[in-house]
Amino acid sequence: DARVTQTPRHKVTEMGQEVTMRCQPILGHNTVFWYRQTMMQGLELLAYFRNRAPLDDSGMPKDRFSAEMPDATLATLKIQPSEPRDSAVYFCASGLRDTEAFFGQGTRLTVV
Amino acid sequence: DQQVKQNSPSLSVQEGRISILNCDYTNSMFDYFLWYKKYPAEGPTFLISISSIKDKNEDGRFTVFLNKSAKHLSLHIVPSQPGDSAVYFCAAIPLMEYGNKLVFGAGTILRVKS
Repeated sequence: DARVTQTPRHKVTEMGQEVTMRCQPILGHNTVFWYRQTMMQGLELLAYFRNRAPLDDSGMPKDRFSAEMPDATLATLKIQPSEPRDSAVYFCASGLRDTEAFFGQGTRLTVV
Repeated sequence: DQQVKQNSPSLSVQEGRISILNCDYTNSMFDYFLWYKKYPAEGPTFLISISSIKDKNEDGRFTVFLNKSAKHLSLHIVPSQPGDSAVYFCAAIPLMEYGNKLVFGAGTILRVKS
């Protein structure tokens, strides 16, 4: 049963700490997305990759957020330093060019 | 500036009746539209989609209607079941960018009462 795997599922951290979220896309999918879910904005696109190359990260606060794909089986989203306003659920999704995106279960981040 | 808008934050429907979820968009370059369903503590799952060359797509109890001139789409669920209670997200993809840049609305919480 192919699925997108995200770790950790939950993360509570103190303001100022570094947070790293990880995503294992579905094997064979060449597009990976990072979304953030907030109450007001719904699902916001933060960044996405095609064949491991970043295509668009305009939705991401550049000063503190970074997204990478060290290899085809791992995508990371890092926040440094974290702030309380970063508290949200972060979703990773993967897909192929002509298919819908498949989402992971999300990482619920709480910054206190 | 939200390009995909779901103006109803929530909707409550009696079991067996029709649920109609609405979505409006502003970008005329959107070419493909999708609905995702999300249960608590889970990621969104794909439900149904429609290409801009069609005005209707049906899959079992779910039908999506697209009105391009009004830049409006809707999801009909008939008959509604308690298990349909979830958050429904409308999403759109710009022309020639299939698999890319899903632009989501804020979601509508559907509650189906038994």
